[in-house]
Amino acid sequence: GENVEQHPSTLSVQEGDSAVIKCTYSDSASNYFPWYKQELGKRPQLIIDIRSNVGEKKDQRIAVTLNKTAKHFSLHITETQPEDSAVYFCAASWDTGFQKLVFGTGTRLLVSP
Amino acid sequence: DTAVSQTPKYLVTQMGNDKSIKCEQNLGHDTMYWYKQDSKKFLKIMFSYNNKELIINETVPNRFSPKSPDKAHLNLHINSLELGDSAVYFCASSQDSGAHGEKLFFGSGTQLSVL
Repeated sequence: GENVEQHPSTLSVQEGDSAVIKCTYSDSASNYFPWYKQELGKRPQLIIDIRSNVGEKKDQRIAVTLNKTAKHFSLHITETQPEDSAVYFCAASWDTGFQKLVFGTGTRLLVSP
Repeated sequence: DTAVSQTPKYLVTQMGNDKSIKCEQNLGHDTMYWYKQDSKKFLKIMFSYNNKELIINETVPNRFSPKSPDKAHLNLHINSLELGDSAVYFCASSQDSGAHGEKLFFGSGTQLSVL
């Protein structure tokens, strides 16, 4: 089955710096890669996703890149703000007739003012 | 006007008890899920229902039994609770079957503590 590894497990940055979180996946059939943000005590929420026919996608300060050959994808957050502090999860799924998202282990991002 | 709501938010119980968690979505979605988040924050799918039909059943002890009376509701019943069942349980929904990857809408979670 699919296995998703995520690094780093914790990341501390100063406000205004950039943050990068990396994930690798094992199943080359995976074709959908979402990122979820979970603030302390809250529910996970989708912040951006990318499909395998696209190499990069941006939404304001966040971007995701995908390298299908290497089977890895990354989340980039620029100009970080304290409200970006949260746990970020990458995930992967493939077309099976239904969705079975496999999540990474999460990255705790701390943005210090 | 919460999209995916689950109750209770907190559940503290003794080992060996039986408990249920309820979930409802008002988004008109076809598919609902149960995810378990352990103490290390790892999120793992347990079950998925599409239009009341079970479509994903991960390797979960048969003490866990989901029930979907209609496509807007998915409940989780747990028999003979064990210490290791302590976790946060999230309900989620997606518009379609998610076959081509789609957004999950999560509930606010139920923190289960087994003493």
